[in-house]
This record gives sequence, C-alpha cells and structure tokens, in this order.
Amino acid sequence: DAGVIQSPRHEVTEMGQEVTLRCKPISGHDYLFWYRQTMMRGLELLIYFNNNVPIDDSGMPEDRFSAKMPNASFSTLKIQPSEPRDSAVYFCASQTGLGEQYFGPGTRLTVT
Amino acid sequence: SQQGEEDPQALSIQEGENATMNCSYKTSINNLQWYRQNSGRGLVHLILIRSNEREKHSGRLRVTLDTSKKSSSLLITASRAADTASYFCAASGNTPLVFGKGTRLSVIA
Repeated sequence: DAGVIQSPRHEVTEMGQEVTLRCKPISGHDYLFWYRQTMMRGLELLIYFNNNVPIDDSGMPEDRFSAKMPNASFSTLKIQPSEPRDSAVYFCASQTGLGEQYFGPGTRLTVT
Repeated sequence: SQQGEEDPQALSIQEGENATMNCSYKTSINNLQWYRQNSGRGLVHLILIRSNEREKHSGRLRVTLDTSKKSSSLLITASRAADTASYFCAASGNTPLVFGKGTRLSVIA
C-alpha cells in the first residue's frame, strides 16, 4: 500500500478563497482523522470518521470548515472562506481499530 | 478522549547519550503509543505498549508503562544526530488517540 495520500502538498491562496484538501486513507482502515498543526497550538484534532461517518467534529474551529467522507477511500476538508489564521499544516491519518495511526505527508496551507 | 502529555517540552543532548522522555495520561487505557515527527513531516508510529505490559523494547527504544501512576517513559539509547525530532505519546482507550504537544529532542553531534 502507498500509505495515506494527501493532495495538494502545498497550497497558497488569498484570503476569502475556498480551499479543498484531499485525503486517501490506507485501504481497509476504518478510521480517518483530520489534524491541523501550528507552532502556537501544536497538533489539533479537527474531526474524525468511523466507517465514513463523522463521529466527532468538536475540533472544527468554526463553520468555515467542513469535512466529508463520501466513501471509504476518499475524504475532503474544505475551508470557505479561508483566512490568514488558517495557515497551518493539515494532516490526514487513518487507523484500524485501536491500533496505530498512519499519517499522510501533510498539506502546507498558506493564506495571504 | 485520552490525551498524552509529554515532559520535558524540549531536550538537548550530545550524540551517544541516552534520552528519556515522559508521558502522563488521565484515564484508563488499552494501550499507549509513541510517535516521532521529523520537521515538516507527518507523525510516524514508533512503538505500542499494551496496558498489561510493563516494558517493551524495539531496537534502541525502550518504553515503560506504569498504569498505577498513569505514566510512560520512552528511552532512546546511544542517541544519534538523526534522532533529532519531536516525540509524541498518545493514550488509547475506547476513543481515538489525542496527541500532546510533544518533546522536541535535539541531538548534537
């Protein structure tokens, strides 16, 4: 397996624009997680899915953020409209049961 | 949800020395996991220790778990410059892992 795949790897956008981040989890994993990492706040869990169903989105900072998982092999995290304070590295991770999490390479988002 | 809190926040040692990092958590767990993150990369799983285990080894890594104190430690022996990274623990109960802020380890050659 190629591991968790994220795209794009880097995204630079202007304030107010819509940003869509994509993730393909490892085949067979039943959990998918979205994280945001900044120097100030560290690694934050935004939302996670179990069998494609959102379980806990309490970490989503505000209504500008939304996430979907239409099937077991694809998830998106959307920010609309984007703001400079959204600049961060966004990680996707997948997991099976209570085992280890496998992280993707991350998307570095810069909002100017 | 479970959360690991690492201590110290930062650690700087000379190559060849041992590095010890500690982790505390709050509630009952099934297992505790340690991860490593190199700058700009995703976290990579290092080792998992189950709640009924007290010690586990993997290469130069040694992990201990004390469920009575709700704490764990990660020991890296004979450190190398390539061990420079951030190290995170995360406790796993019946909810997903929640990561602490990590320990930033610098190994000076």
